[in-house]
Amino acid sequence: GNSVTQMEGPVTLSEEAFLTINCTYTATGYPSLFWYVQYPGEGLQLLLKATKADDKGSNKGFEATYRKETTSFHLEKGSVQVSDSAVYFCALPNTGNQFYFGTGTSLTVIP
Amino acid sequence: DVKVTQSSRYLVKRTGEKVFLECVQDMDHENMFWYRQDPGLGLRLIYFSYDVKMKEKGDIPEGYSVSREKKERFSLILESASTNQTSMYLCASSQTGARGRKLFFGSGTQLSVL
Repeated sequence: GNSVTQMEGPVTLSEEAFLTINCTYTATGYPSLFWYVQYPGEGLQLLLKATKADDKGSNKGFEATYRKETTSFHLEKGSVQVSDSAVYFCALPNTGNQFYFGTGTSLTVIP
Repeated sequence: DVKVTQSSRYLVKRTGEKVFLECVQDMDHENMFWYRQDPGLGLRLIYFSYDVKMKEKGDIPEGYSVSREKKERFSLILESASTNQTSMYLCASSQTGARGRKLFFGSGTQLSVL
């Protein structure tokens, strides 16, 4: 079945540092891939998505490229801010409208 | 703005109590989901529903039941709460079909069972 493996956290970075959070997937076919973010005290919200191979999703300075050769969808940001402190989840659709979520990576950005 | 509302942010219950977690969405979505979130385990699907009065088991349904009498409301029931059900519970909704690929989440209910 479909699954995602996500980089373990927590991750602590200084402001303006470069961020990478790794995500690899196992899937039948080429499903859409997603990153969700959970800010403190809130539910998850969609950060970005890519619907086919070689697509790049982007939002709020974050990017992720759908790479079928390496079955990866790594999240990157060139210069993180304190307000990016959150938990990030890689996600993959299952049958119907269900999703598999990764275990989440907690990011803390310090000034 | 679209909204998924969970009735309680924090809840403390005793072992053996019957617990109701309520979720309401105002987007006329067909699909609704209940997840639990635990450190190191991510989100795990408990139950979901594609329509009124319809329910399907997710990955970890044991010890839980659900009710969907109206399209906008999806309730999670812990028939006899146990300490291993202490967790963050997240409700989500989505539209059906390709548009349904985006999940909208509530803010969560942190349940503690003592």
